[in-house]
Amino acid sequence: DGGITQSPKYLFRKEGQNVTLSCEQNLNHDAMYWYRQDPGQGLRLIYYSQIVNDFQKGDIAEGYSVSREKKESFPLTVTSAQKNPTAFYLCASKGRGVRETQYFGPGTRLLVL
Amino acid sequence: DQQVKQNSPSLSVQEGRISILNCDYTNSMFDYFLWYKKYPAEGPTFLISISSIKDKNEDGRFTVFLNKSAKHLSLHIVPSQPGDSAVYFCAASPYSGGGADGLTFGKGTHLIIQP
Repeated sequence: DGGITQSPKYLFRKEGQNVTLSCEQNLNHDAMYWYRQDPGQGLRLIYYSQIVNDFQKGDIAEGYSVSREKKESFPLTVTSAQKNPTAFYLCASKGRGVRETQYFGPGTRLLVL
Repeated sequence: DQQVKQNSPSLSVQEGRISILNCDYTNSMFDYFLWYKKYPAEGPTFLISISSIKDKNEDGRFTVFLNKSAKHLSLHIVPSQPGDSAVYFCAASPYSGGGADGLTFGKGTHLIIQP
């Protein structure tokens, strides 16, 4: 069945380590997004991609990097430059229409050891 | 500068009554508005949306109202059920960017339905 998968569900990062969060969708959506949620806060946009091999910075891109080599996949790397990486990370995707809905994956919780 | 505001962090409503969740926005470029429902440690689930060319959209127990002049929207849930207890996020999207821009979210309202 169609949907968005994120892995792992929980991820632990050591100081100075880069970690990569996976996001895959089989909805044939062109656009994909990464958001971060902190306790008591709304979701904030990290990066987004409208098509393969293209991506744009969102509101809080510092310390993160992405790639979009395949339409189905949009991995997010949390680099050592991100000083406060502990958060709940959500991936979303959207079809081509102007006013289409973004659908979200189940999320990955990142914790720093 | 918060462009989407949900000023009530929590709301308690009795089962069977109407729940009204409010959202205000400041950016005049916002053209499309969505409500999402979220449980802890899960991704948000889409509920209902409205575009700026409408002032009301209804889907079953959920109705969203948009007042563009006041830059205000509200979500009505009638009747409220125990399964509606969750955090509700209001989100907005501008028309620019070909419609692929990310969403701007409010901080959410925690709705608690009491038996």
